[in-house]
This record gives sequence, C-alpha cells and structure tokens, in this order.
Amino acid sequence: GQQLNQSPQSMFIQEGEDVSMNCTSSSIFNTWLWYKQDPGEGPVLLIALYKAGELTSNGRLTAQFGITRKDSFLNISASIPSDVGIYFCAGIPSGNTGKLIFGQGTTLQVKP
Amino acid sequence: DGGITQSPKYLFRKEGQNVTLSCEQNLNHDAMYWYRQDPGQGLRLIYYSQIVNDFQKGDIAEGYSVSREKKESFPLTVTSAQKNPTAFYLCASSPRYGYTFGSGTRLTVV
Repeated sequence: GQQLNQSPQSMFIQEGEDVSMNCTSSSIFNTWLWYKQDPGEGPVLLIALYKAGELTSNGRLTAQFGITRKDSFLNISASIPSDVGIYFCAGIPSGNTGKLIFGQGTTLQVKP
Repeated sequence: DGGITQSPKYLFRKEGQNVTLSCEQNLNHDAMYWYRQDPGQGLRLIYYSQIVNDFQKGDIAEGYSVSREKKESFPLTVTSAQKNPTAFYLCASSPRYGYTFGSGTRLTVV
C-alpha cells in the first residue's frame, strides 16, 4: 500500500532548541495532518493542512504543506520538556475516500 | 463533551482466549477505525468501517474481527488465531478528514 516516509526516526535535543521533521511520499496527497502522541495515550491532532503551499502555526508549532503535494514539514520552536512524545504525520492521498496513511513517527526527547 | 471512549485501559488475556475491546463515540462520525501499535512502531490498520453494518479489512486483519451494528460503537475482538496479540490498540473516528483517537487499550497476553 501507499506509504509515508517520516524522518528523523528519533531526536534527542536540549531544551530551547528548535526541531524539524518531515514526511515525504511518492504520490500526491490532498491533506496533511500532524499528530502528537504522549506515552500510553492516543494521538492528538496538532495541525491540519488542506492546500499546497499552506503554512499553518499552532503556538510554537508550524507546519507546511509542500508545494509538490508530496511532502510536509513540522517545526517546533524553543522546545520544552513537555514536547516529549511521538509525532506522526498523516495524509489523505489524492482520490482516496478519507482513510489516512500514517508515517512511522518521530520520537522526540528533550533534555532539560 | 463529545469524544471517543476506549475500554478497558488495560487488559490481560490468557493464551487461547478471545477478548473484546470496546470503542464508543458520541461525535456522530460515520467512519471508525482500529489500529495496532507495537513499541517503537507506527500505526497499523486492522479494520475500518465507513458506515453502519459495513466494514473492511485493513493491512493486518488476520486474527481479528469487528462488528458495526450501531453508529456509535465499533468493538474489536482479538481471537485466539492472533498469534502475537500483545500491543497497544487505538480506535479512531472521522467525519471525513482528520481522525479523533481514543486513549487506547493496552492488551497483554499472560
């Protein structure tokens, strides 16, 4: 089936640093979503993107829908300890009825 | 408050037993999904349902069964045919774009 390649797989950073992660696909996507999962909990939606080139912020988080419609980026500025968790990208491929395709996740650890 | 509820939070199963995980939503969403998550892994789709009384297999349906008799409910049964059932199970619902997830059920075989 279709897959999303999410990178990096894990990150270990110092508090206050900025973080970048991305997702790429070989096919075109109509919608990109970014989720965060805390340990032992379900993923929570952070940002949704619906148009190529769209740049959306949610507090210290900024995500972009790539102009080619085959990629998306998530940036976290000035990281804090509560940013720890797994970040998933997800997308709806062109022509799909709404079933999401998920990336493998980026595990973020923040050192105080 | 609208949301999606999974129960129980933790479940222990003896080998050879069937167990059923509950998923209920009051968001009036048409579509519902079950995912399995293993440590350090992403989400793998088990089954999904886009309308009442209809459901489709996902990528790893073997050893699992579901029903969708009501819009609000999408229970997942882990059967004895599932050889490695220990995992974190997530249920989600969706109106069309974007999923709302439950808080998960951690199943352990003892």
